[in-house]
Amino acid sequence: EPEVTQTPSHQVTQMGQEVILRCVPISNHLYFYWYRQILGQKVEFLVSFYNNEISEKSEIFDDQFSVERPDGSNFTLKIRSTKLEDSAMYFCASRDPRQGSYEQYFGPGTRLTVT
Amino acid sequence: KNEVEQSPQNLTAQEGEFITINCSYSVGISALHWLQQHPGGGIVSLFMLSSGKKKHGRLIATINIQEKHSSLHITASHPRDSAVYICAVRLYSGGGADGLTFGKGTHLIIQP
Repeated sequence: EPEVTQTPSHQVTQMGQEVILRCVPISNHLYFYWYRQILGQKVEFLVSFYNNEISEKSEIFDDQFSVERPDGSNFTLKIRSTKLEDSAMYFCASRDPRQGSYEQYFGPGTRLTVT
Repeated sequence: KNEVEQSPQNLTAQEGEFITINCSYSVGISALHWLQQHPGGGIVSLFMLSSGKKKHGRLIATINIQEKHSSLHITASHPRDSAVYICAVRLYSGGGADGLTFGKGTHLIIQP
């Protein structure tokens, strides 16, 4: 069964460094999402992406964040200058609107630790 | 601002018990998701509902749009059902708004 994959599974970085989290959505899906979950807290929406542009973003998604679909398969989240409070689990998700469904399929997550 | 409230926050039950987890929300939605999160952190979609009731194996999800309430039931619970169960909603919007709003989750432990 097709699934969303994410790399790396765990990333450790120093404060102020740039990180890129990678996702490979399900191949025929057209909507892509990033969510994050700070340890012990609820999952929060960051951004959605469709037709090569951001379709919606939350207040969390400030100028430090950017997303890109550099080729036909990858979807990336870049954090320009990481802060301690960026430490969280980051989930990618994708959706196929042609199914007539709003169901989103989640990846396994990338645990980002900023030291 | 939409809030998604789940109850209970924590639930411990014995194997075989019938489990109910509740979710309520404050504004109009176009869809509601029930998700499962295991200790490793990965999220699995269990159901997506916009009306009525869905069943998959021992899991049943219902939604009452008028009352802005949904329930997730587990019949004949088993220790492998132990996980965090999360309710998430897609707000009703004529535009592209699509990001989900999540509840805090219900931490379920099923003891043998």
